[in-house]
Amino acid sequence: EPEVTQTPSHQVTQMGQEVILRCVPISNHLYFYWYRQILGQKVEFLVSFYNNEISEKSEIFDDQFSVERPDGSNFTLKIRSTKLEDSAMYFCASRAASRYEQYFGPGTRLTVT
Amino acid sequence: GQSLEQPSEVTAVEGAIVQINCTYQTSGFYGLSWYQQHDGGAPTFLSYNALDGLEETGRFSSFLSRSDSYGYLLLQELQMKDSASYFCAVGGNNNDMRFGAGTRLTVKP
Repeated sequence: EPEVTQTPSHQVTQMGQEVILRCVPISNHLYFYWYRQILGQKVEFLVSFYNNEISEKSEIFDDQFSVERPDGSNFTLKIRSTKLEDSAMYFCASRAASRYEQYFGPGTRLTVT
Repeated sequence: GQSLEQPSEVTAVEGAIVQINCTYQTSGFYGLSWYQQHDGGAPTFLSYNALDGLEETGRFSSFLSRSDSYGYLLLQELQMKDSASYFCAVGGNNNDMRFGAGTRLTVKP
């Protein structure tokens, strides 16, 4: 069964450094998403992406964040200058057109020290 | 703004039926989804309602009343493996999805 993959599974970085989280959505899906989840808390929407542009972004997704689909398979989230409060699990998700269920990847645990 | 309310914790015994309620206030509404998340895992899709009424998928059913901004997830014949967190989520008109805080379900023998 096709699945969303994410790399790395765990990323440790120092405050102020840039990080890029990578995702490979399911191949025939057209809608892509990034979420984050601070340990023990709810899943928070960051951004959605369709047709090579951002559809919607939350108040969390400020100028420090950017997304890109550099080729036909990868979808990346960049955090330009990480803060301690960016430490969280970051989930990528994708869905097919005219379907509502989103398929989540296993997540990247980001630790900012 | 947007807000979703669901109980923080529910406990039930194996074989029982449990209902997890969700009320929402959103500026745009496209549908109500339910996701399950086991500790350390990723959310997995359970159910979706765009229209009023009941959707059934095996042991799980989900209900929506748009006029009441209310929905619920019904889990029947509870099994130990159903112990997890359950999130309701509202899809908006701009391809976003906002999650509730989650309900932690504990199933006891």
